[in-house]
Amino acid sequence: QKEVEQNSGPLSVPEGAIASLNCTYSDRGSQSFFWYRQYSGKSPELIMFIYSNGDKEDGRFTAQLNKASQYVSLLIRDSQPSDSATYLCAVTGSYIPTFGRGTSLIVHP
Amino acid sequence: DGGITQSPKYLFRKEGQNVTLSCEQNLNHDAMYWYRQDPGQGLRLIYYSQIVNDFQKGDIAEGYSVSREKKESFPLTVTSAQKNPTAFYLCASSPWTSGIGDTGELFFGEGSRLTVL
Repeated sequence: QKEVEQNSGPLSVPEGAIASLNCTYSDRGSQSFFWYRQYSGKSPELIMFIYSNGDKEDGRFTAQLNKASQYVSLLIRDSQPSDSATYLCAVTGSYIPTFGRGTSLIVHP
Repeated sequence: DGGITQSPKYLFRKEGQNVTLSCEQNLNHDAMYWYRQDPGQGLRLIYYSQIVNDFQKGDIAEGYSVSREKKESFPLTVTSAQKNPTAFYLCASSPWTSGIGDTGELFFGEGSRLTVL
């Protein structure tokens, strides 16, 4: 069974700090990697996607992928209280996304 | 506006009842999915459909049924055989192709929260 593992947290960081969220996956054939943000009681929304090894930056967010280590991460720079949410890692092989349990991030003023 | 509409947002079920959750999309997406989310948990796949009149079981299909008679619609029925149906249900869609510009992103509805009385 394909597995996606995340530390459930909560991860607590001060405002302005860098938050680092990590995810590992079991299926070496995985092709696409996604980070979704989910506020309490709401549906997930896409933050970043990455396909190739290395880093991909979009504003305050950087996704990092290492296929050899089966590891994907999300860095949030200059964290804001509005970033407080659960971050879901999703891994896709053959168009079927598998989600991790999510990491709860708390950014305190 | 294009998007996915789920209804109802809140639903209460008595023991032994079947209930149906509606999911409609006007994004012209081929693929549709149903996920279940329990408190503190990630999303678990119930069923998915790539094309009309075809669907596949996900990881936790027991006690659920679906249909895909139209491209726009993918309703989920929670049957009395599902012993612990209280959860947050999310419907999603995506293009099924890998064409240029297709990120593989899932587009989610607002969710339906089902509670068993």
